[in-house]
Amino acid sequence: KQEVTQIPAALSVPEGENLVLNCSFTDSAIYNLQWFRQDPGKGLTSLLLIQSSQREQTSGRLNASLDKSSGRSTLYIAASQPGDSATYLCAVRPTQGGSEKLVFGKGTKLTVNP
Amino acid sequence: GAGVSQSPSNKVTEKGKDVELRCDPISGHTALYWYRQSLGQGLEFLIYFQGNSAPDKSGLPSDRFSAERTGGSVSTLTIQRTQQEDSAVYLCASSLGGVSSPLHFGNGTRLTVT
Repeated sequence: KQEVTQIPAALSVPEGENLVLNCSFTDSAIYNLQWFRQDPGKGLTSLLLIQSSQREQTSGRLNASLDKSSGRSTLYIAASQPGDSATYLCAVRPTQGGSEKLVFGKGTKLTVNP
Repeated sequence: GAGVSQSPSNKVTEKGKDVELRCDPISGHTALYWYRQSLGQGLEFLIYFQGNSAPDKSGLPSDRFSAERTGGSVSTLTIQRTQQEDSAVYLCASSLGGVSSPLHFGNGTRLTVT
């Protein structure tokens, strides 16, 4: 059974710091991995999607990497800002057992202090 | 363009009552998903619609839960005889379909059963 783990559960950093969020998954049989952010009381906003054949994706100050064989992904945030404060979730789309059933981690709650 | 729209944003109901939650996906998106997010838990898959195919209902937790999608667009999730453990945020997502397409989520409906 696919399991997705995100460590740490919470992270607090000063503004301007570069930081890395981690996501690990137990089964490498995935089509892709997607990173989301969730603001309090809101839905999920898609940040980056990495296909299984890709190693990384970049959008602005965000860079996501994928090492499928080791079951790991990282989300790198450069020059963090208070507006980056949110919960960050990763999700994998499995190739077996129903590819529509994305498996989510429980998220990392990020606080960027001014 | 408009994103995924969900209504109501908040719903408080008494135990034993029926509730209907609505999702209006992004225009042109053929795939529609319902997930549930309980406090302290990850997102839990409920049901998936793709075009005119039979929906994947394998994530529905009991026969009190049902969903339909009319005309390949708007979807309604119905919970009959609500229980306190049904309290959660119900999130709807849509995509263009296919395993490579990212999911786009609505802001969710926060359901509280008293």
